[in-house]
Amino acid sequence: DTAVSQTPKYLVTQMGNDKSIKCEQNLGHDTMYWYKQDSKKFLKIMFSYNNKELIINETVPNRFSPKSPDKAHLNLHINSLELGDSAVYFCASSQDTNQPQHFGDGTRLSIL
Amino acid sequence: QKEVEQNSGPLSVPEGAIASLNCTYSDRGSQSFFWYRQYSGKSPELIMSIYSNGDKEDGRFTAQLNKASQYVSLLIRDSQPSDSATYLCAVRGGSARQLTFGSGTQLTVLP
Repeated sequence: DTAVSQTPKYLVTQMGNDKSIKCEQNLGHDTMYWYKQDSKKFLKIMFSYNNKELIINETVPNRFSPKSPDKAHLNLHINSLELGDSAVYFCASSQDTNQPQHFGDGTRLSIL
Repeated sequence: QKEVEQNSGPLSVPEGAIASLNCTYSDRGSQSFFWYRQYSGKSPELIMSIYSNGDKEDGRFTAQLNKASQYVSLLIRDSQPSDSATYLCAVRGGSARQLTFGSGTQLTVLP
């Protein structure tokens, strides 16, 4: 029943590792997003895909690479993890780029 | 100047009072405005959207938009302890496809 689901919910890993976070939405939405929320709760857009096409690519290190195999899925791969990558990563989706966004439960990434 | 500014709080109100949350934005061409509620450790949840000047009411929540003043607010009537959360203002700029979020206002409703 979950509209926007992310896995894993928690991710604890060592600095330098590579990890992926997966996101799926069953709302039939065309647009999906990745956000990063830091310890001060500031929510910042990272990427957005519309119908599998990248439309927003904010200033993010190229260690972060999104991939959208179809419009219901948007995954995030992170190479060479650094301490500063520790945050909560939220996936979201919307009907189109003008409609309200609905968020997943978040992935809490901790780098040791 | 931040694109979307909110008073970080914390804002404390007694149960039953009106909580008033404010947000200003810098892009005069902004068209869409949203309020999200985020409980600690949870994801943001959309509670209100507003697109034109004036007031929009939904239950105990009223969103107010004044584009001339570049100001959007959220009023919560009859505040309940369950309303205690961080409230995020989000604005979609005139030419932007993404939302820009404020840093959030932490609201505590005291029983």
